[in-house]
Amino acid sequence: EAGVAQSPRYKIIEKRQSVAFWCNPISGHATLYWYQQILGQGPKLLIQFQNNGVVDDSQLPKDRFSAERLKGVDSTLKIQPAKLEDSAVYLCARAFTDTQYFGPGTRLTVL
Amino acid sequence: AQKITQTQPGMFVQEKEAVTLDCTYDTSDQSYGLFWYKQPSSGEMIFLIYQGSYDEQNATEGRYSLNFQKARKSANLVISASQLGDSAMYFCAMREGGNTGKLIFGQGTTLQVKP
Repeated sequence: EAGVAQSPRYKIIEKRQSVAFWCNPISGHATLYWYQQILGQGPKLLIQFQNNGVVDDSQLPKDRFSAERLKGVDSTLKIQPAKLEDSAVYLCARAFTDTQYFGPGTRLTVL
Repeated sequence: AQKITQTQPGMFVQEKEAVTLDCTYDTSDQSYGLFWYKQPSSGEMIFLIYQGSYDEQNATEGRYSLNFQKARKSANLVISASQLGDSAMYFCAMREGGNTGKLIFGQGTTLQVKP
């Protein structure tokens, strides 16, 4: 149903290290989103892509976060360097008709 | 600014009973969408139900129904005949504008179903 693959599922790193997450909307949908969900809160949009272009990255901490979507399919989200407050679940979603469907998420722990 | 409010941090319900999870929203847009998602302890975000702002009928999906009261800006989720597997975190979300707009989420409500 969701049709979104993410990897890795879990990642533990030390602060100041770098990390990358991968997302594939299996059906190849045009619109893709990355959300950050801090423990105890609802998800918050980091970046939205339409095909290869960025639609909204107003909440992305651009000094340390970057994201790209090549060929309008797969996307990667990178954090460099990571801070303790980046510990969260990173969710990728695709838009299909009226709805957004989410992948299983990547749980990041920064020590 | 767009905002979603879920005032119930935690709820309990007896198995097989119905439960209502509250959600209010704030927007100045005329066109918007309202969603409910379920998040079990495994962390995945599962879509449950959608209501468009112009839909006159309340949305229903199996045991889930959305009680949409536009004038009161509320979009409560009703789960009928609760099951043990319904125990999870539930999020209300709003999308403004077109079909691909971002979602604004509430803080969530934890539901526990008692046997």
